[in-house]
Amino acid sequence: SYVLTQPPSVSVAPGQTATITCGGNSVERETVHWYQQRPGQAPLLVVYDDRDRPSGITERFSGSKSGNTATLTVSRAEAGDEADYYCQVWDSSSDHYAFGSGTKVSVL
Amino acid sequence: QLQLQASGPGLLKPSETLSLTCTVSGDSIGTNNHFWGWIRQPPGKGLEWIGSSYYTGNAFFNPSLKSRGTISIDSSKNQFSLNLTSLTAADTAVYYCVTQGTTFCGGDCHHPAETTIWGQGIVVTVS
Repeated sequence: SYVLTQPPSVSVAPGQTATITCGGNSVERETVHWYQQRPGQAPLLVVYDDRDRPSGITERFSGSKSGNTATLTVSRAEAGDEADYYCQVWDSSSDHYAFGSGTKVSVL
Repeated sequence: QLQLQASGPGLLKPSETLSLTCTVSGDSIGTNNHFWGWIRQPPGKGLEWIGSSYYTGNAFFNPSLKSRGTISIDSSKNQFSLNLTSLTAADTAVYYCVTQGTTFCGGDCHHPAETTIWGQGIVVTVS
């Protein structure tokens, strides 16, 4: 199965920038999407197609990609940004909808 | 505004079959080039894709579950369903019904894109 590697946790001070990475062999050629999941809630799409934001998502969330690593950046972190974040790709070589292992972001 | 509502049993025994239904409101399941799918999350763990079906019925499944699962679409009821057979404790999870965008890759080739809408989730326990 397709493996997407994320750091288990990231800590950030309020007002600072959190960076969450997602690595995989084929990230460079696949489109990456990012989801936020607050405790007890269903996930929410925050970035799609590597860097686009759905309507209603704050510009503080941004996505980028370089080589086989995609990055979700949360600028000016707020307490409400505390959540688990998952990257996701469609692996065209195996027809598999793969999720990363998830990163817990703590705003301390 | 499209909304999804999952329904089904919350407690099953090992070896039984899970049948979940997702009712779609705010849009027609038979139009708009969406994929309709299921994603689950075991307690304290990450997200796992189960499968996705195009509105025409062409479906993709997680290879690790392919032999046990089916997704069916009932356009007349604006519903889609998941059947998962031979349950074990490892199938205990929150099950989300979802809708996904579509990526077209030429000819009849298409696959699910980003997951745009998630249902509220339904807790399924196998014990």
